[in-house]
Amino acid sequence: SQQGEEDPQALSIQEGENATMNCSYKTSINNLQWYRQNSGRGLVHLILIRSNEREKHSGRLRVTLDTSKKSSSLLITASRAADTASYFCATALDNYGQNFVFGPGTRLSVLP
Amino acid sequence: GAVVSQHPSWVICKSGTSVKIECRSLDFQATTMFWYRQFPKQSLMLMATSNEGSKATYEQGVEKDKFLINHASLTLSTLTVTSAHPEDSSFYICSARDQTSGSFFSYNEQFFGPGTRLTVL
Repeated sequence: SQQGEEDPQALSIQEGENATMNCSYKTSINNLQWYRQNSGRGLVHLILIRSNEREKHSGRLRVTLDTSKKSSSLLITASRAADTASYFCATALDNYGQNFVFGPGTRLSVLP
Repeated sequence: GAVVSQHPSWVICKSGTSVKIECRSLDFQATTMFWYRQFPKQSLMLMATSNEGSKATYEQGVEKDKFLINHASLTLSTLTVTSAHPEDSSFYICSARDQTSGSFFSYNEQFFGPGTRLTVL
């Protein structure tokens, strides 16, 4: 069953602006991961944040995790047209990825 | 990083035929692989967990007799869609965990294949 829920479902911004996507989940998790999917392609792993972490950075990406609110956010700074894609959060209930549940995703469009 | 391939990348078949999709981990061993299905503009839904040398574990609502999974080696899992029908048309994506990495943290990352687009006429 779906656990993660992203909002917004779709986001359209101008190149250079920041994009923020949110993910909420319902049960306790071991870690939460963000993935990017270009249209009709496979998934690319962006970042993993563990339940005992609050924030992680990777290049232009910043992920936060609030376990008390059961939510996470993905911030893409200084967006580029190449960032246009769907972004999914996925929650892992254990250390071994046996229970790996994807949210519905946010479709990001970065306009040049 | 670890690479997972899928073959074919797309397939068109007639209703009633069976289609086999391969998922390979190219530079690592994967005791466990996962099969997902994604309908247009929707998220990935886990279909089954493929375990090397044993039977696959299917998610609720997924017909095991229709979606046959074989994981005969540490680098290959296959998904066969038997007697395919138009409603089986979808994007099928596999993933694998790198079991051989010495890092505990690698257990948490799944590496995804590029997907196979199945169209059943």
